Amino acid sequence: DCLMTQSPLSLPVTLGQPASISCRSSQSLVYSDGNTYLSWFHQRPGQSPRRLIYKVSNRDSGVPDRFGGGGSGTDFTLKISRVEAEDVGVYYCMQTTHWPHTFGQGTKLEIK
Amino acid sequence: QITLEESGPALVKPTQTLALTCTFSGFSLSSNRVGVGWIRQPPGKALEWLALIYWNDDKRYTPSLKNRLTLTKDTSKNQVVLTMTNMDPGDTATYYCTHSYFDDSPLDYWGQGTLVTVSS
Repeated sequence: DCLMTQSPLSLPVTLGQPASISCRSSQSLVYSDGNTYLSWFHQRPGQSPRRLIYKVSNRDSGVPDRFGGGGSGTDFTLKISRVEAEDVGVYYCMQTTHWPHTFGQGTKLEIK
Repeated sequence: QITLEESGPALVKPTQTLALTCTFSGFSLSSNRVGVGWIRQPPGKALEWLALIYWNDDKRYTPSLKNRLTLTKDTSKNQVVLTMTNMDPGDTATYYCTHSYFDDSPLDYWGQGTLVTVSS
């Protein structure tokens, strides 16, 4: 399986400050078609996860532009330019290049 | 708009077989490149990808559970059923069904999830 490793696992952030989450894969996520199938999800307490980013850097509809995804190969990052209160919860990266699809362990973002 | 809803028993006994139904609307599983998948999340833990069935009946399972999982689809009813045999307390989790558009747009819609507890 392609192992996804996120860091940090806990991320205390002051409101208005930036935040960054790293996601590393044990194999390259570049598919034979040239695309890289790395997505980011946000799960608020008691809610279903919601996709934020797909194919590394494509923001889903309705996702604020303070969220940005980047990276390549095996190293990826989710950045929040200015954290707001509604951003609390757990963030997961996920790869859909290799079978089985796999998630990272999750990064819990909280407000300091 | 696309919606998905999971249904099934909230409580199952160890060794029993679990059957969960995902009933969806807003898309057809006979449409090209569409898939419906299942994800689970034990209480307080991370998400785990389980299985996926595509419009063309291609099915994929996580290897660690492959011998216990079966996916079937009923296109006329807009339903996908996940069965998991030989349930164990370690299978206690919230189970989510998801919509995907092939590789281009994975897990873009999620159901609200259903909590399944395995206990005697």
